[in-house]
Amino acid sequence: EPEVTQTPSHQVTQMGQEVILRCVPISNHLYFYWYRQILGQKVEFLVSFYNNEISEKSEIFDDQFSVERPDGSNFTLKIRSTKLEDSAMYFCASAIDRFRPETQYFGPGTRLLVL
Amino acid sequence: GQNIDQPTEMTATEGAIVQINCTYQTSGFNGLFWYQQHAGEAPTFLSYNVLDGLEEKGRFSSFLSRSKGYSYLLLKELQMKDSASYLCAVRGGDDYKLSFGAGTTVTVRA
Repeated sequence: EPEVTQTPSHQVTQMGQEVILRCVPISNHLYFYWYRQILGQKVEFLVSFYNNEISEKSEIFDDQFSVERPDGSNFTLKIRSTKLEDSAMYFCASAIDRFRPETQYFGPGTRLLVL
Repeated sequence: GQNIDQPTEMTATEGAIVQINCTYQTSGFNGLFWYQQHAGEAPTFLSYNVLDGLEEKGRFSSFLSRSKGYSYLLLKELQMKDSASYLCAVRGGDDYKLSFGAGTTVTVRA
């Protein structure tokens, strides 16, 4: 069964450093998403991406965050200058169709720890 | 904004039935979703309701009442592997992003 993959599974960084989280969506999917989940808290939407541009973003997704699809397979989330409160699990998701939620699959997540 | 409420924890016995309620107040509505999340893992899609009524899918059923801003997820014939967090999520009317509730942790006991 096709799956969304994410690397790395865990990342530890120092406050103020830049991190890039990588995702490989399912190959025939067209819509890509990033979510985060701070430990013990709810899943929060960050951004959606379609046709090489951001289609929606939340209030969390400020100027410190950016997304990119550098080639035909990868989808990345960059945090320019990490803060302690960026420590969370970051989930990538992809979907064939934004109107068909059953097609949205989540990746296994990257656990980011900012020290 | 979106306000989504669900109980924090529920405990049930193997083989029993559990009903997880979710109430929501949202600016617009374009569907309610239920996800299962095991500890340390990604959410997995369980069900989707956009019209009022009951959707049944094997041991899992989900109900929606849009006028009441209410949904429930019904888990039947509980198995130990059903121990997980169950997330209620709503898609708003003006956009397609999902807003999640805090999740209900279900513990199934033998």
